[in-house]
Amino acid sequence: GQSLEQPSEVTAVEGAIVQINCTYQTSGFYGLSWYQQHDGGAPTFLSYNALDGLEETGRFSSFLSRSDSYGYLLLQELQMKDSASYFCAVRDLGYGQNFVFGPGTRLSVLP
Amino acid sequence: NAGVTQTPKFRVLKTGQSMTLLCAQDMNHEYMYWYRQDPGMGLRLIHYSVGEGTTAKGEVPDGYNVSRLKKQNFLLGLESAAPSQTSVYFCASSRDVTYEQYFGPGTRLTVT
Repeated sequence: GQSLEQPSEVTAVEGAIVQINCTYQTSGFYGLSWYQQHDGGAPTFLSYNALDGLEETGRFSSFLSRSDSYGYLLLQELQMKDSASYFCAVRDLGYGQNFVFGPGTRLSVLP
Repeated sequence: NAGVTQTPKFRVLKTGQSMTLLCAQDMNHEYMYWYRQDPGMGLRLIHYSVGEGTTAKGEVPDGYNVSRLKKQNFLLGLESAAPSQTSVYFCASSRDVTYEQYFGPGTRLTVT
């Protein structure tokens, strides 16, 4: 079985740092991905953690701890354009090797 | 490169009607996927393909069929539409099985 959990909403101000958590229950998976989706748009890929630890891409970082069944996306120097929904996703080895997305976290960046 | 394209962008069907959604990618990707997204929810995998001529069921396959006759195209069919199939449908493709998927712009389907 598989289950991904994320907070439904997060609010922060411009210039701040925000962390979006993703916890999961799955017997095994290839790695943890993060996608961004603006209202009315398509999801776009942000980052991927195949191994435990921190991956950094510009203002965005992502972290994975398999032992804690936990990952997060860290957004720094927030900008208004970062207001969007953020989804974590895994390819679950135990669920027909299907891709499973979390329910999403809606980030609102305030001026 | 156009990336991943989907047709149509919008469609309204009556219950019981059939239709086919077309997805095309020009990145020579082996893997292609169909998802549905309902309001306020994440994406749920309907069917996917790991190469030309192959298809496999995802999390929510009932009521849908797919075909991958050509590597660049992935078709999603609804044989007898139901109001529960009202959703936004996204197609995606990827080079390999691990991570980065490229999504099309979506098709907004309403079944009345």
